[in-house]
Amino acid sequence: AQSVTQLGSHVSVSEGALVLLRCNYSSSVPPYLFWYVQYPNQGLQLLLKYTSAATLVKGINGFEAEFKKSETSFHLTKPSAHMSDAAEYFCAVSDRGAGSYQLTFGKGTKLSVIP
Amino acid sequence: DTGVSQDPRHKITKRGQNVTFRCDPISEHNRLYWYRQTLGQGPEFLTYFQNEAQLEKSRLLSDRFSAERPKGSFSTLEIQRTEQGDSAMYLCASSLGSWETQYFGPGTRLLVL
Repeated sequence: AQSVTQLGSHVSVSEGALVLLRCNYSSSVPPYLFWYVQYPNQGLQLLLKYTSAATLVKGINGFEAEFKKSETSFHLTKPSAHMSDAAEYFCAVSDRGAGSYQLTFGKGTKLSVIP
Repeated sequence: DTGVSQDPRHKITKRGQNVTFRCDPISEHNRLYWYRQTLGQGPEFLTYFQNEAQLEKSRLLSDRFSAERPKGSFSTLEIQRTEQGDSAMYLCASSLGSWETQYFGPGTRLLVL
């Protein structure tokens, strides 16, 4: 069964600083990987996804993530944090080609941006 | 698209009562998913529909939980004889064709007293 580990339940960065949110996955087959963002009292919004094309994936709002098979990682980055980036971020995995449509999420990382 | 909508947004109930939540997916989305999210955790998969057929159920979905999607459009999730452990945010998502992109609703927050 697949699983996701997000390192750091809470990350604080200064406005304009680099954002790095870590995600490691476990899967018996090459996975599909996702990053979602959740703002307070809202549903989850897809930031980006990896589905076996380019290993560097660009998403919305200036975020990107790199799939590294050797490290089983899919870390999320943004060069310069903005106040509006403050939210909770979830990494998710789904077994590729296993016939399962469910997403398995990590526990989330809450990002705070300090002015 | 108006997005995925869920009703109610909040529900407070007493232990032992039954509750029902509704999810309206994005128009013409044929796939619909239910997840549960407890405090400090990521969403956990509950069940999945393709059109009106329920194709997958998590073992988290005990006998007290039932979900339906009678005409392949909206879906309902019912919890019978609620327990305090059922307190959580219940999220609905839908997708069309490629299941890779699931669009989530705002959720229904349930509190069982």
